[in-house]
Amino acid sequence: AQSVTQLDSHVSVSEGTPVLLRCNYSSSYSPSLFWYVQHPNKGLQLLLKYTSAATLVKGINGFEAEFKKSETSFHLTKPSAHMSDAAEYFCVVSDNQAGTALIFGKGTTLSVSS
Amino acid sequence: NAGVTQTPKFRVLKTGQSMTLLCAQDMNHEYMYWYRQDPGMGLRLIHYSVGEGTTAKGEVPDGYNVSRLKKQNFLLGLESAAPSQTSVYFCASSYTPRAVGQYFGPGTRLTVT
Repeated sequence: AQSVTQLDSHVSVSEGTPVLLRCNYSSSYSPSLFWYVQHPNKGLQLLLKYTSAATLVKGINGFEAEFKKSETSFHLTKPSAHMSDAAEYFCVVSDNQAGTALIFGKGTTLSVSS
Repeated sequence: NAGVTQTPKFRVLKTGQSMTLLCAQDMNHEYMYWYRQDPGMGLRLIHYSVGEGTTAKGEVPDGYNVSRLKKQNFLLGLESAAPSQTSVYFCASSYTPRAVGQYFGPGTRLTVT
């Protein structure tokens, strides 16, 4: 069965420093992987997606993620954090070959201090 | 183009009461989903639909029913609410989820006392 593990429940960074949110996955299929962001009391917004094209995926707001099959990882990075990046981030994998359901990680809360 | 909308935004129920949550999308998407979000649990899939007139169970379907009578609407019903169903409920839709990802509504915060 597919699963996803977000290795940190909470990450704190200073404004202007790099961000690294870690995600490992397991999948029997060639997976599709996603990162979603949720700001407080808001819905979820798609940041970026990997669907077996380029392994380095660029998303919105300067975020990117690299798919590493050998490490079964899909870590999210950003070179320089901004205060507005403070939110909860979810790593997500497609549940099955048809992709009709998504499996969510438990989330990583990113705090950004000035 | 409103995207995915959910009605209501907030609701408080007493144990044993029933209610229906409405999800509507105007993007002509085939796939629709209902999730619940609980602290420290991420989102868990309740039910989903791959087209008008179809429904299927997700990870946590017990205590919920769904209907997809029209392509643009996906209803989530609680027949007899329990405190364990206190949660934030999100609806999502997509054309082809594997390639594109899902579009989420703003959520419904439900409290069962």
